[in-house]
Amino acid sequence: QKEVEQDPGPLSVPEGAIVSLNCTYSNSAFQYFMWYRQYSRKGPELLMYTYSSGNKEDGRFTAQVDKSSKYISLFIRDSQPSDSATYLCAIGDSWGKLQFGAGTQVVVTP
Amino acid sequence: NAGVTQTPKFQVLKTGQSMTLQCAQDMNHEYMSWYRQDPGMGLRLIHYSVGAGITDQGEVPNGYNVSRSTTEDFPLRLLSAAPSQTSVYFCASTRGAASDGYTFGSGTRLTVV
Repeated sequence: QKEVEQDPGPLSVPEGAIVSLNCTYSNSAFQYFMWYRQYSRKGPELLMYTYSSGNKEDGRFTAQVDKSSKYISLFIRDSQPSDSATYLCAIGDSWGKLQFGAGTQVVVTP
Repeated sequence: NAGVTQTPKFQVLKTGQSMTLQCAQDMNHEYMSWYRQDPGMGLRLIHYSVGAGITDQGEVPNGYNVSRSTTEDFPLRLLSAAPSQTSVYFCASTRGAASDGYTFGSGTRLTVV
């Protein structure tokens, strides 16, 4: 079983809808939680970073962490076609090592 | 700032050849890592470093070597290329484990024939 599980999608939504993405993880030693966006043939780009349970907002993006359930989520409000990309969750330990989910492909249709 | 720079962007190797993938960052980051990305597998950690002179293995280190002689550079060496090493390789850096996430380079697309 992988340390981080993420549904690969694809997830198709109409423009303006809320995109909901989630990951589960198995090792409670991980302390840092991130979401990356990756466009085709590009490097991952950090969207959200948090280390505590609860919600963190940044513009249209909200990251949610539930450490007791080992569950992390990313919500994208008012989705745009430019949000079409692969979204990767990542969890990190105190040594700076990251474990990634497989990534969810999101398609926002005009 | 250039951020994290990886060279080359593309490379084709024959089985058994060796090569070095270069990675440089200009942000004075202590932590650097190498990942490979394969379809359906996400990114998997190959090697990482928490500072100059300090390196350690990640999840998939076999067939790869690293060294960290300066803060800026973290090259990845393929000792004897195999078709299973065909992948996209990403280098990443951050100030520290408790800082604000990793910055990734644009990747090296490697094909081993």
